[in-house]
Amino acid sequence: DAGVIQSPRHEVTEMGQEVTLRCKPISGHDYLFWYRQTMMRGLELLIYFNNNVPIDDSGMPEDRFSAKMPNASFSTLKIQPSEPRDSAVYFCASSSRDRGLYEQYFGPGTRLTVT
Amino acid sequence: RKEVEQDPGPFNVPEGATVAFNCTYSNSASQSFFWYRQDCRKEPKLLMSVYSSGNEDGRFTAQLNRASQYISLLIRDSKLSDSATYLCVVTPGSARQLTFGSGTQLTVLP
Repeated sequence: DAGVIQSPRHEVTEMGQEVTLRCKPISGHDYLFWYRQTMMRGLELLIYFNNNVPIDDSGMPEDRFSAKMPNASFSTLKIQPSEPRDSAVYFCASSSRDRGLYEQYFGPGTRLTVT
Repeated sequence: RKEVEQDPGPFNVPEGATVAFNCTYSNSASQSFFWYRQDCRKEPKLLMSVYSSGNEDGRFTAQLNRASQYISLLIRDSKLSDSATYLCVVTPGSARQLTFGSGTQLTVLP
């Protein structure tokens, strides 16, 4: 079974540009999580979905960040406009109530650099 | 105060050594506890759950002390392949999401 797929793996963009990160969760998983990891703040939960519905977005830093999950196999995290302080590794993870809700499977991450 | 605190290390130990990591959490209502492992420039992966009675998985032993709000991970006979960052993870109360500690870096030296 394929794991969580994220694209792009690396993104370099200039301040002010729109950035869209993509995620395909493991088939059959009904929870999807977006995290951000930096040296200073560690791994932070941004938002999570259950059955494509956003459940908790309290970790989204500000209005520049938005996330959608139009169907069970696809989610996006968008930053508009991007700023240098958004530079981080963004992970998507998925889990299934049937397999143990708290065992989250992470994608390889998107390394974002905003110059 | 951070919800989950870990000694960042780094811990540098020789092959075959026993090493222990500690973690404290601030929310007494926390219900579930885990250790995740993250290799350099890779994604985190679940290492093991932590049960109240303590649990063992091969060379790895996890302990939980609810009274002291303290979690530990013991690695015996460490291998070069154990070199990684170990993340302490807690579920805060009834919420479904995970709260990660900042991680403890381990390097096992030949």
